[in-house]
Amino acid sequence: ETGVTQTPRHLVMGMTNKKSLKCEQHLGHNAMYWYKQSAKKPLELMFVYNFKEQTENNSVPSRFSPECPNSSHLFLHLHTLQPEDSALYLCASSQSTGELFFGEGSRLTVL
Amino acid sequence: LAKTTQPISMDSYEGQEVNITCSHNNIATNDYITWYQQFPSQGPRFIIQGYKTKVTNEVASLFIPADRKSSTLSLPRVSLSDTAVYYCLVGDWYNNNDMRFGAGTRLTVKP
Repeated sequence: ETGVTQTPRHLVMGMTNKKSLKCEQHLGHNAMYWYKQSAKKPLELMFVYNFKEQTENNSVPSRFSPECPNSSHLFLHLHTLQPEDSALYLCASSQSTGELFFGEGSRLTVL
Repeated sequence: LAKTTQPISMDSYEGQEVNITCSHNNIATNDYITWYQQFPSQGPRFIIQGYKTKVTNEVASLFIPADRKSSTLSLPRVSLSDTAVYYCLVGDWYNNNDMRFGAGTRLTVKP
């Protein structure tokens, strides 16, 4: 248990569906992140939020839409995804020490 | 942004000491060095962090030479459960956008 909770753990969706991934951290951290990890590939940083403000968008397609309503919650809204978007989506949080705390991830399959 | 280079893979046997080296030639003055461990289908987990010289905790040691252009993660007496991917991150932790992972080193521990 890292203090970062992701739901759902598994998600299967069609290309025309709209779904959301949720992340919640109970650590009092000020920064939250979304990473994507495709099969046998390194983690790709997608979005960074610092004190609820987005500070990084790593050229992510607009079919991925992040939302950070407060410092404890982070969402990733998904719509009209492609099969190549199938991956493990990891949420993380950190404070200024640089230690990232990751959730267990949401395994997404796009049919 | 300091780029890191690690060996793609390493093999070891149970009970041996494993040393994984990371090169970061353009490390900046404010950058720290952090190592993570990742098991399949899980988020990475913090192992150790350092700035210079040597850092030791209950699971690993981190050796950083004076020029800080490389670092070595040392895992004493590895077991089968240490089979994982190990990542070296270098960054200024006050800049959250530095939280980018490289390819990592896949360590396989054999009986």
